[in-house]
Formats: sequence, C-alpha cells, structure tokens
Amino acid sequence: DGGITQSPKYLFRKEGQNVTLSCEQNLNHDAMYWYRQDPGQGLRLIYYSQIVNDFQKGDIAEGYSVSREKKESFPLTVTSAQKNPTAFYLCASSTNGQGAGGYTFGSGTRLTVV
Amino acid sequence: AQSVTQLGSHVSVSEGALVLLRCNYSSSVPPYLFWYVQYPNQGLQLLLKYTSAATLVKGINGFEAEFKKSETSFHLTKPSAHMSDAAEYFCAVIKGGAQKLVFGQGTRLTINP
Repeated sequence: DGGITQSPKYLFRKEGQNVTLSCEQNLNHDAMYWYRQDPGQGLRLIYYSQIVNDFQKGDIAEGYSVSREKKESFPLTVTSAQKNPTAFYLCASSTNGQGAGGYTFGSGTRLTVV
Repeated sequence: AQSVTQLGSHVSVSEGALVLLRCNYSSSVPPYLFWYVQYPNQGLQLLLKYTSAATLVKGINGFEAEFKKSETSFHLTKPSAHMSDAAEYFCAVIKGGAQKLVFGQGTRLTINP
C-alpha cells in the first residue's frame, strides 16, 4: 500500500545535538512538507519542497534544515540552534498543484530533549 | 492572508448527541477548506474537503460540513456522536500558489458515556 513512513516514532536528543527525522513516501507525490505540532498551537509549517533539489522555508524554519535529493525522501534535521525542539513532527505529501486534494500525512515522530 | 479560526479548543458531548465543531475562515475568494482528524500519537486523516462544488460536503465516519460564504464558516457536524469519535479535529485552508495547508488551532472532542 502507498503511504508515508516516518521514523523513528520516538526520538530523544541531548542538548546541543543535531538529530535527523526520516520521511519517505511511495505515493509518487511531487510536494512534501514538514510540520511541527505543539499542544494548543495547531500545526506550523517548517519547510516544504515542491520538486527535487528545491525547498522553501515555512513559518518556523529557524533551527531546522532539510534536503530533497530524491523524490521519495525529505529528511528534516533539527539542529542545536533550535532552542525548543521538543514537539511532535509530522511529514506530509501532495501531488504538486493538487493541494486541493488534501495532504497525506505520516504517523509522526515525537522528539524529546533530555 | 488566508487563515482559519476554530472556536473552542475543547468540546464535550454525550454519546448519541449532536457534534458541532466550528470553523471560520478568512479569505477574499472562496478557498479550499478541509477537516482533518487526529487520534493520539498519530498523523492526520482527511475527513472531508470543500473545493467549490457542493456546499454540503459529506465525509467519512458520518461527518459532514457546510460551506457558508455569507458567514465565512465551514462547521463540522455529526448527528450522533460515538465513543470512537473522541479525537482532535483540525480545520485547514489552502494558502497561496504553493498549495500550502494552513491549520486552525484544533478542537479536542471528548465523548461522555
């Protein structure tokens, strides 16, 4: 079955470390997105990519980085510059130009700073 | 800029009662509107979407929503709540040429037995 796979489901990070969250899709979708979810704040867009080798900052990109070397993959790195990284991270994809069809979401990665 | 506002961060209803979750949008043109549901520690699942066809949109799990341009609203309803409906619900709107989804703050629905 086609879908989006996020890994790991739970991730623990020490202060000052970079960590990378994986997002893979086999839906042949052109566009991919990363959102951060905090209680009571809905979902906020971190980065998005509409085509391979191109990506754009969202509303809260500071302290994060991404790459899009393959259509299927859109990893997110949470750097040490992100001061409050504890959150639930969601990856999504959509057929480019067809956002009106809605996004498909992964099951999320919960990141905790220890 | 397009945005959505969900009225009520927490709604509680009895099993079998009507569910009404409110969403108002801010847009100068008819937008694309969505309702998503999220169960604990899971991703979001699309419930239904409005894309300028019929104003009454039927979705999965017995939910429906009505687009009312005069009220700039897209409220989600279900005639009879079930215990399995307990979850968080998000209203969202497409923003900009990049087809980015902008979400409301979410409404947590609790079902009382």
